[in-house]
Amino acid sequence: EVQLVESGGGLVQPGGSLRLSCSASGFTFSSYWMSWVRQAPGKGLEWVASIKEEGGKEYYVDSVKGRFTISRDSAKTSLYLQMNSLRAEDSAVYYCARPMYYDILSGLGPLDSWGQGTLVTVSS
Amino acid sequence: SYVLTQPPSVSVAPGKTASITCGGNNIGSKSVHWYQQKPGQAPVLVVYDDSDRPSGIPERFSGSNSGNAATLTISRVEAGDGADYYCQVWDSSSDSDPYVFGTGTKVTVL
Repeated sequence: EVQLVESGGGLVQPGGSLRLSCSASGFTFSSYWMSWVRQAPGKGLEWVASIKEEGGKEYYVDSVKGRFTISRDSAKTSLYLQMNSLRAEDSAVYYCARPMYYDILSGLGPLDSWGQGTLVTVSS
Repeated sequence: SYVLTQPPSVSVAPGKTASITCGGNNIGSKSVHWYQQKPGQAPVLVVYDDSDRPSGIPERFSGSNSGNAATLTISRVEAGDGADYYCQVWDSSSDSDPYVFGTGTKVTVL
């Protein structure tokens, strides 16, 4: 059974930093792209970032480029999101999720496994 | 960046059929995926690649995609189908924000 467990959320002041972690199990972690998706309170889903199977290729939503960094450690089967220069609008539940596939023609596939999410609150 | 538009809400009586649209420019040329999200829970994939269902998803959930609109159809609606539903595509033509979610539709079972 695929399991994704996020951690690292919490309360941080504007301009501060936070590192989210996602521990993966139940599948061959190094064979899948991985993604972060967030959801602000009462709002819709927003994709944040994705990273290639062994790293080396990343995509980010424009609003976090230059501030957030996605990374992974295959030995620890873990995904990370380093968040710097945090803003109030970054407050959200952050989900770790696994794309079903990556295809050269279709791109990144649907997210077929999700963690339970970790809450990030940016406030003074 | 690519925009996906959904109706904010849809209401349906138990046993009837609910249809949720997802509008986007030439969306018929893309693969559309659908997620169900219940309050306080993570989203669940219910339809992918326009019309395929993951294992464990009832046949009552179906999808179609053509032209400028994709549709998620829920047949024989049950009380447990009440949730928020999001469509999603990969926009390969965009260097920024390629992974796009729709605005979401709240389905209320009367």
